[in-house]
Amino acid sequence: EDQVTQSPEALRLQEGESSSLNCSYTVSGLRGLFWYRQDPGKGPEFLFTLYSAGEEKEKERLKATLTKKESFLHITAPKPEDSATYLCAVCGANSKLTFGKGITLSVRP
Amino acid sequence: EAQVTQNPRYLITVTGKKLTVTCSQNMNHEYMSWYRQDPGLGLRQIYYSMNVEVTDKGDVPEGYKVSRKEKRNFPLILESPSPNQTSLYFCASSRKGAGGGEEQFFGPGTRLTVL
Repeated sequence: EDQVTQSPEALRLQEGESSSLNCSYTVSGLRGLFWYRQDPGKGPEFLFTLYSAGEEKEKERLKATLTKKESFLHITAPKPEDSATYLCAVCGANSKLTFGKGITLSVRP
Repeated sequence: EAQVTQNPRYLITVTGKKLTVTCSQNMNHEYMSWYRQDPGLGLRQIYYSMNVEVTDKGDVPEGYKVSRKEKRNFPLILESPSPNQTSLYFCASSRKGAGGGEEQFFGPGTRLTVL
């Protein structure tokens, strides 16, 4: 059974204070690891897909990296508008998407 | 505008009263899916559909039904709702399934309360 564990559950940062969110996973035949952002009361919004260990992708202040066991979402110099819940998900050989419980990020001005 | 729409957005009902939550996408996507999101449990897949007339169970299908008669629509049916189905429901679509690395587009969510 595919599993995704995200840590920490919640993270509070000061504006400009860089940090990383962790996603540990076990999956049979990784077909893709996904990062989504979810704002309160809204549906998740796609950020990145990573396919193989060593791959990295960037978007504005966000950078996602992937190893064989975990993925990190690095946030550089965050702003208050980066406050949201960040979801990690994996798709394995069964083509099903398994989500982690999410990390709630709060960035104080 | 490319989007996934769900209706209703909020629904309060009573145990046993059949209800349908509609989902529609305007992106000509083949793959559609329903999730429920509960505190402490995260997003869990209920049902998915790879194409018209092709549906399959996700991780938590008990108590739900779906149909895919048209490519754009994927309604979620609760024949006899129970309080443990109180949750936030999301519909999602993608060009192909997640196995192809495709991003999924999510609807705005339907908050269901079953009394």
